Amino acid sequence: GAGVSQSPRYKVAKRGQDVALRCDPISGHVSLFWYQQALGQGPEFLTYFQNEAQLDKSGLPSDRFFAERPEGSVSTLKIQRTQQEDSAVYLCASSLGLTGPRSTEAFFGQGTRLTVV
Amino acid sequence: QQPVQSPQAVILREGEDAVINCSSSKALYSVHWYRQKHGEAPVFLMILLKGGEQKGHEKISASFNEKKQQSSLYLTASQLSYSGTYFCGTVHNAGNMLTFGGGTRLMVKP
Repeated sequence: GAGVSQSPRYKVAKRGQDVALRCDPISGHVSLFWYQQALGQGPEFLTYFQNEAQLDKSGLPSDRFFAERPEGSVSTLKIQRTQQEDSAVYLCASSLGLTGPRSTEAFFGQGTRLTVV
Repeated sequence: QQPVQSPQAVILREGEDAVINCSSSKALYSVHWYRQKHGEAPVFLMILLKGGEQKGHEKISASFNEKKQQSSLYLTASQLSYSGTYFCGTVHNAGNMLTFGGGTRLMVKP
């Protein structure tokens, strides 16, 4: 596709419900990132993939958060037993090449706005 | 480690200049600058690699001082379209992770 695509754009979940957020990166982009952005804050790093390998998941806030990219393209961020503090915009970004954002720009999707009620 | 941005907010009149600063406590390999408008995705402005280069795009330019682990974004003769939140993202020498600062909210008024 022309850009990074995320779905759904908006998701309302009841507390305790599981959710799955999808990211379609730009074709051929090796690096993929997930960020969480609370209202009025900068994007907070969650996890990073290089192809199918999850190289860093240090930003995942709890073991309720899980991300995968099984074939090195589409990625899914899953949140189990959602809680109100999970409400945020979840942004996905992709970057070309193995060096990723060290030397090349990252392209962001429009994000999924998750509201937990 | 998250970079620190200053100021947190700026209000300008159209045509005025602004400088946004970004500093890190760890050695940097590269610095990215993005602009995000409300409800939209962050949009890439420029990337600076270590080597102290300065880049420019029309009236927006940036510098990177790797010794001081700092970068500055310069907005000259600001336009209404420059309004938004500016984020710096940093990649440290040892890693490949892009970490963002808390943002600088810029409002340009007519």
